[in-house]
Amino acid sequence: DTAVSQTPKYLVTQMGNDKSIKCEQNLGHDTMYWYKQDSKKFLKIMFSYNNKELIINETVPNRFSPKSPDKAHLNLHINSLELGDSAVYFCASSQGNGGGTDTQYFGPGTRLTVL
Amino acid sequence: AQSVTQLGSHVSVSEGALVLLRCNYSSSVPPYLFWYVQYPNQGLQLLLKYTTGATLVKGINGFEAEFKKSETSFHLTKPSAHMSDAAEYFCAVSEQGAQKLVFGQGTRLTINP
Repeated sequence: DTAVSQTPKYLVTQMGNDKSIKCEQNLGHDTMYWYKQDSKKFLKIMFSYNNKELIINETVPNRFSPKSPDKAHLNLHINSLELGDSAVYFCASSQGNGGGTDTQYFGPGTRLTVL
Repeated sequence: AQSVTQLGSHVSVSEGALVLLRCNYSSSVPPYLFWYVQYPNQGLQLLLKYTTGATLVKGINGFEAEFKKSETSFHLTKPSAHMSDAAEYFCAVSEQGAQKLVFGQGTRLTINP
């Protein structure tokens, strides 16, 4: 059983398009995250949700809008895609009650290529 | 603000040799420290973490790391490298009450036969 899954695994699209990436976790965790890994492998947090409530928004452009329909799902919608959005996007989840000590479990990533 | 510096973007060792991956952190409060591994085309997997207590932490696959507050370091070691250890390794820090990880830039470990 996959603990944290993401779809799609690869996404190739044109500049200006709108796209979504879906994430689901079956670990029963309360907190979910989106991270962006750039071409130099640098990982940076974008958003964090706890029980469907946004708790971290790391100065990400408004074109990025996360949505959490329930605590097992956290989707990422991106409007008006730009070349600089090309990256690997990772979803992660954690128990959410460890006060910073929680282990985060990562999905396999979605490689987004904007042409 | 927290930050993590990993010395050496690429480390190459021979099979059977000692692996040493360096990590230094900056944090205004006692940190929680993590090492994650990323195999090609996969997500990140926790190797080990330090939260409180014993400063020498043992993880999976024979890796361990020691938290040295005076040196603000959390270096990762393994006595004998195996070909399967080839991967990207990330050091990360979080703070009490924070739910986010701040990552270093990663170190690619290559194992030579």
